[in-house]
Amino acid sequence: GAVVSQHPSRVICKSGTSVKIECRSLDFQATTMFWYRQFPKKSLMLMATSNEGSKATYEQGVEKDKFLINHASLTLSTLTVTSAHPEDSSFYICSAQGTDLETQYFGPGTRLLVL
Amino acid sequence: AQSVTQLGSHVSVSEGALVLLRCNYSSSVPPYLFWYVQYPNQGLQLLLKYTTGATLVKGINGFEAEFKKSETSFHLTKPSAHMSDAAEYFCAVSDWTGSYQLTFGKGTKLSVIP
Repeated sequence: GAVVSQHPSRVICKSGTSVKIECRSLDFQATTMFWYRQFPKKSLMLMATSNEGSKATYEQGVEKDKFLINHASLTLSTLTVTSAHPEDSSFYICSAQGTDLETQYFGPGTRLLVL
Repeated sequence: AQSVTQLGSHVSVSEGALVLLRCNYSSSVPPYLFWYVQYPNQGLQLLLKYTTGATLVKGINGFEAEFKKSETSFHLTKPSAHMSDAAEYFCAVSDWTGSYQLTFGKGTKLSVIP
């Protein structure tokens, strides 16, 4: 149980284009999902907290107009990187809050490369 | 504010030897603590967690951790390392009084030498 998927697993795009990443909780409903960014050999940096049916809460320093988050259902949250640039290249990981609230279940991550 | 310090960015052990990964935390409230493991190019997998109750917590793959309030520590151990344990390990503390956000340590890369 508590499986989280992400799609795509890897994406390469041209500078200036937008990329959408999906995060799904497969066997449970998640009111809250989290989006993280991980740089090579670094820890996870929380970007935003996504709540179903409401606006996401962004961490300080994260551009909400660049990283659009939509949590349209209890099993799906999306992250759209708008007008992507090479510096947006990174590993993006989502997590879904379990029914116990305290545990986060992580997706496998999406590797984004912007050329 | 909460924080996590993982001592040692890289730990090497021989196969069959004891694994000890150190984690110290800072929290203004009783902490909820977690250990996650990450294999290359993958997401994080929950190893174990401490919320309340017994301070010695057992997790998957033979790992366990002990919450020591007096030392503000939550070190991860495994009696005998296996080659498959080679991975990145993250300790985290939860803001359970608010949004349940996790604050992660910087991670410790475990290498297992055959």
